[in-house]
Amino acid sequence: EAGVAQSPRYKIIEKRQSVAFWCNPISGHATLYWYQQILGQGPKLLIQFQNNGVVDDSQLPKDRFSAERLKGVDSTLKIQPAKLEDSAVYLCASSLDRGHGYTFGSGTRLTVV
Amino acid sequence: QKEVEQNSGPLSVPEGAIASLNCTYSDRGSQSFFWYRQYSGKSPELIMSIYSNGDKEDGRFTAQLNKASQYVSLLIRDSQPSDSATYLCAVRYGNNRLAFGKGNQVVVIP
Repeated sequence: EAGVAQSPRYKIIEKRQSVAFWCNPISGHATLYWYQQILGQGPKLLIQFQNNGVVDDSQLPKDRFSAERLKGVDSTLKIQPAKLEDSAVYLCASSLDRGHGYTFGSGTRLTVV
Repeated sequence: QKEVEQNSGPLSVPEGAIASLNCTYSDRGSQSFFWYRQYSGKSPELIMSIYSNGDKEDGRFTAQLNKASQYVSLLIRDSQPSDSATYLCAVRYGNNRLAFGKGNQVVVIP
């Protein structure tokens, strides 16, 4: 089966600019996650979707981050405006359902300068 | 209090030796525990899962779980240079959310 697809792989932007990341989960996977991994740290959950509904966005900085999952398939994560501390790898993962294991995408490495 | 703690610094082991990694977690009700391997510049890859107290072996990897002590460990036997990576401990919380530790870097010296 095809894996979790993410794009772009790399992005460099200036602070206060906006950026968007795209994720296409494994076909049939109902649950989709966005994680942020800052260099030297473990991944931190930003938002979790079940189909097209939000299950957990408690750690999403909602003043600047937004995410959507239209039609319960693809998802987009947006940052507006970006700050220097947003420099990180943004990982998308999907699972068949809430009780199943994750598959991670290759991630998007964001550098804010 | 951090949910998942991995406090050891980088671990250097000679090729063929045993690498031992430790992890503690805060939620006594947690039931599912995972070890992920992450190569530099790559995404995490699941290598072990464990749900019951005791040991679980898979090839050269052994996961150990002690729920009373809220402690999970990973042993890598016969370490190979290809095992050089960061190993992330993860604990499943409600709604299948995984909380990760910060990871431990393992360097296998040929």
